[in-house]
Amino acid sequence: DAGITQSPRHKVTETGTPVTLRCHQTENHRYMYWYRQDPGHGLRLIHYSYGVKDTDKGEVSDGYSVSRSKTEDFLLTLESATSSQTSVYFCAIGSGSPGELFFGEGSRLTVL
Amino acid sequence: GIQVEQSPPDLILQEGANSTLRCNFSDSVNNLQWFHQNPWGQLINLFYIPSGTKQNGRLSATTVATERYSLLYISSSQTTDSGVYFCAVSRAYKYIFGTGTRLKVLA
Repeated sequence: DAGITQSPRHKVTETGTPVTLRCHQTENHRYMYWYRQDPGHGLRLIHYSYGVKDTDKGEVSDGYSVSRSKTEDFLLTLESATSSQTSVYFCAIGSGSPGELFFGEGSRLTVL
Repeated sequence: GIQVEQSPPDLILQEGANSTLRCNFSDSVNNLQWFHQNPWGQLINLFYIPSGTKQNGRLSATTVATERYSLLYISSSQTTDSGVYFCAVSRAYKYIFGTGTRLKVLA
């Protein structure tokens, strides 16, 4: 299995609070991704990274920011969480350009 | 951007039946993958198949890149095959997912 760890795995927070989700990989892969999964929408790309400090927006990036200061860590931040950001968040890593994707276990976020 | 459509959206089978899931995409791609999301939410890699045909046990997949579609075949289905099957494609760095086929296999 690909070495991908997401934390926290579950989080409940209140509207307006900041939240940071962490994705840590031990595979030394260049590409890292954050997706959200909601009923009826499949997986939608939030942000992705193609190297340290190199990031770009996906299709649903509003309200989210990311940072990648080290190859192994990709952080997703919700500056001020809203109820519409209640979702399951998946991190993925890409082995090539990007080649094959491998997913973490997911982080379930509930914003009350 | 690239559009990905999967069909059928839902499928119910009796154990032992065969099925074909389809993924159509709207533009040329460099990468294509099939995933299975099990009832516990885990996303499991089935095939990385930008072109050609691959087989893994009871599952096989074919991608015809020039005609912009891929097929996933499941033979002799088992209850453990239940879940959602996703197709994902990319042309550059971004992988875009279809909305999936939800499969239920009845014992």
